[in-house]
Amino acid sequence: RKEVEQDPGPFNVPEGATVAFNCTYSNSASQSFFWYRQDCRKEPKLLMSVYSSGNEDGRFTAQLNRASQYISLLIRDSKLSDSATYLCVVNPYSGNTPLVFGKGTRLSVIA
Amino acid sequence: EAEVAQSPRYKITEKSQAVAFWCDPISGHATLYWYRQILGQGPELLVQFQDESVVDDSQLPKDRFSAERLKGVDSTLKIQPAELGDSAMYLCASSHLEGSMDFGPGTRLTVL
Repeated sequence: RKEVEQDPGPFNVPEGATVAFNCTYSNSASQSFFWYRQDCRKEPKLLMSVYSSGNEDGRFTAQLNRASQYISLLIRDSKLSDSATYLCVVNPYSGNTPLVFGKGTRLSVIA
Repeated sequence: EAEVAQSPRYKITEKSQAVAFWCDPISGHATLYWYRQILGQGPELLVQFQDESVVDDSQLPKDRFSAERLKGVDSTLKIQPAELGDSAMYLCASSHLEGSMDFGPGTRLTVL
């Protein structure tokens, strides 16, 4: 089983729709979790951290389910500018250790 | 806003040639990473530095790849000789203590 798994998509949704992505991780001792956004041919950029209590930032909500070892990202009222690849990222150990990236989920928001 | 700098942004080379990429992390970030990203995949770690020391290079193909961070600030990643399968985006990232990392714009390598 891979350390971090995501559905690659693509998810094609109309503007204004709500879309959710899930990501599973294999190491139950994983300490920190993030969602990164990557535009085509650009570098990944931090979208939001995922806390045990969940995290909301405007139209974006991230949640962590430790029991089932998955994290989720919910995007409400999708905009055309939300079209990108969303990378699920996990720190499998404590301390300053490398983050492990999923392959990403591609989202296309259509007018 | 401070950024991670990388150069060159694009590199085209022929197989068996040597290439080198440079990265300057955000000032004060002790940890520096080199990742490789193949199209359609997530970034995969090549090497991690803590200051000038290598912390993890288990995924670095050491027969052809080398990385250094001599003064604990900027870093160079070298490939010699380059192979067709090395074509990818090479991303440098830095972080401060524990947490998320900031990426540079990457170097897109094409090996012909």
